[in-house]
Amino acid sequence: SQQGEEDPQALSIQEGENATMNCSYKTSINNLQWYRQNSGRGLVHLILIRSNEREKHSGRLRVTLDTSKKSSSLLITASRAADTASYFCATPRGYNKLIFGAGTRLAVHP
Amino acid sequence: DVKVTQSSRYLVKRTGEKVFLECVQDMDHENMFWYRQDPGLGLRLIYFSYDVKMKEKGDIPEGYSVSREKKERFSLILESASTNQTSMYLCASSTPTGLNSPLHFGNGTRLTVT
Repeated sequence: SQQGEEDPQALSIQEGENATMNCSYKTSINNLQWYRQNSGRGLVHLILIRSNEREKHSGRLRVTLDTSKKSSSLLITASRAADTASYFCATPRGYNKLIFGAGTRLAVHP
Repeated sequence: DVKVTQSSRYLVKRTGEKVFLECVQDMDHENMFWYRQDPGLGLRLIYFSYDVKMKEKGDIPEGYSVSREKKERFSLILESASTNQTSMYLCASSTPTGLNSPLHFGNGTRLTVT
């Protein structure tokens, strides 16, 4: 079963707007990761946030983590057409496995 | 940079054939994974390996087996391919995720079984 579930399933915005994607999970975690996948390619790691962190930034990306609500959000500011991709959250299960949600498909229109 | 290489980008096989999907990583990672990705279902873990000759079943191991004879190579085997195994297969590697490490993915193999 999937640990993380992304919301919304699909998002369509104009260039320059911000995009927010959410992830909910079910069990306690020690970290949560976000990945990006361009069409027909493999996934690329974007950012990892540890359970003792509330917010983390990387360039135009901002990730928040609320362990009390078992949720995380990924914000992409000032989006570009090149940000068009699917975005996945992933959480560890046990010591070695990483479990992914179904993803959010983001379309950024010029 | 870590490189994970999957031997084929596209593969077309017939029902009943034995299919081998190969994956090689160059960073001496302990962990290697095989996922399949289907529309609306996201990534589902088939098998993973945490060391040479060691393997664990993931969420959907039925119809698949794996082989890890060398640390850098992890093979996924479809013993008798079926049409419901048509999918995108993704290989990944990492150091143990309990140490807060990311996965590094290959570009995927899109398998079609006819």
